[in-house]
Amino acid sequence: GAGVSQSPSNKVTEKGKDVELRCDPISGHTALYWYRQSLGQGLEFLIYFQGNSAPDKSGLPSDRFSAERTGGSVSTLTIQRTQQEDSAVYLCASSLNIPPGPAYGYTFGSGTRLTVV
Amino acid sequence: AQKITQTQPGMFVQEKEAVTLDCTYDTSDPSYGLFWYKQPSSGEMIFLIYQGSYDQQNATEGRYSLNFQKARKSANLVISASQLGDSAMYFCAMRGDFPSGGSYIPTFGRGTSLIVHP
Repeated sequence: GAGVSQSPSNKVTEKGKDVELRCDPISGHTALYWYRQSLGQGLEFLIYFQGNSAPDKSGLPSDRFSAERTGGSVSTLTIQRTQQEDSAVYLCASSLNIPPGPAYGYTFGSGTRLTVV
Repeated sequence: AQKITQTQPGMFVQEKEAVTLDCTYDTSDPSYGLFWYKQPSSGEMIFLIYQGSYDQQNATEGRYSLNFQKARKSANLVISASQLGDSAMYFCAMRGDFPSGGSYIPTFGRGTSLIVHP
């Protein structure tokens, strides 16, 4: 597609429920990133996918968080047994995973605002 | 490891004036890229400007320019002739060009909130 698409744009869930957030990156972008942005905070790296390589999961805050990327394209971030502290905006970005230059920057989706009540 | 520091949580500027948003960074990578993003209240992250660490000149994109001082490890964003639509969060980010493991994961600062007054 023309841009990075994320769905849903907003999600309200009850504490303890599981949620799935979807990211559809730009066609041809081999790298995909998930970030979390809590209210008034910066971007916290969660997980990174590059092609068929094993993902970099070093930013996942707990084992309740997991993500997969099917066919090198669409990615799903799953949060199990949601807690109130999981409330945040979850941003997805994609890029060509090659070095420098603005042409190889990061394109972000509009995010999913998750509220756990 | 990379670190981005944005020390100004909030900035105010009068419409049509210039404003500088500060960004300092720390990295052990010999070659790297620096980015600025704008995040309006709608939430999307909009790419503004890029500076390569070996670029000889400061980057410019319309009303945006990047005051790059490599020795001081600073990459301040200058917005000239501020407009009301410039009110937003601004994030500085960096990425090593030859990272170990080959992953170009950018590191972001905590952001600066800019409010432009009429």
